[in-house]
Amino acid sequence: GAGVSQSPRYKVAKRGQDVALRCDPISGHVSLFWYQQALGQGPEFLTYFQNEAQLDKSGLPSDRFFAERPEGSVSTLKIQRTQQEDSAVYLCASSLDRDRGSEAFFGQGTRLTVV
Amino acid sequence: AQSVSQHNHHVILSEAASLELGCNYSYGGTVNLFWYVQYPGQHLQLLLKYFSGDPLVKGIKGFEAEFIKSKFSFNLRKPSVQWSDTAEYFCAVRSGGGADGLTFGKGTHLIIQP
Repeated sequence: GAGVSQSPRYKVAKRGQDVALRCDPISGHVSLFWYQQALGQGPEFLTYFQNEAQLDKSGLPSDRFFAERPEGSVSTLKIQRTQQEDSAVYLCASSLDRDRGSEAFFGQGTRLTVV
Repeated sequence: AQSVSQHNHHVILSEAASLELGCNYSYGGTVNLFWYVQYPGQHLQLLLKYFSGDPLVKGIKGFEAEFIKSKFSFNLRKPSVQWSDTAEYFCAVRSGGGADGLTFGKGTHLIIQP
């Protein structure tokens, strides 16, 4: 596809369940970002990859959150033992190269609801 | 840590009115500044960005923003809004020498009445 694709679009999880959220960046994009957007808030940075290397994971809120991008393309954000406070929209963005001026393209997000 | 403040959470305007959305950031060093827009049901899209040079930057759809370093501000403007400008607007900053991720404001929900 032409844009960043995220799946699933919606996920309902029972408290304590593990979830995996997928991001397909634009083909050839080197940089990939994950953000968390709570209701009524702006996106908050979680983690950043350059190809397969996770260069910054300072925004991950706890050790229950884990992200990977093993082949430098598709990325997965995993949340273990989900809690109600994990309910949010999870956004993925990619940009063409390492240039900090390179535009980041966002996906439509995965809305996670923990019940 | 850097932060971004958007003063107006909800703005309602009539078509053809002029628009100015405020954005202030806290980081004192070199910054990259952005405005993103999210139309109903769509993904975040870049409106405009400032890295260096002319502090008045022009973006898509007639939007512009002015970087005023002394005021730590990057306000978004449009001289005449249209109904189709109804959307959520986010200001974002990235420190020049710091992390690669963006720090976003809480957003401004803009409603344009026909």
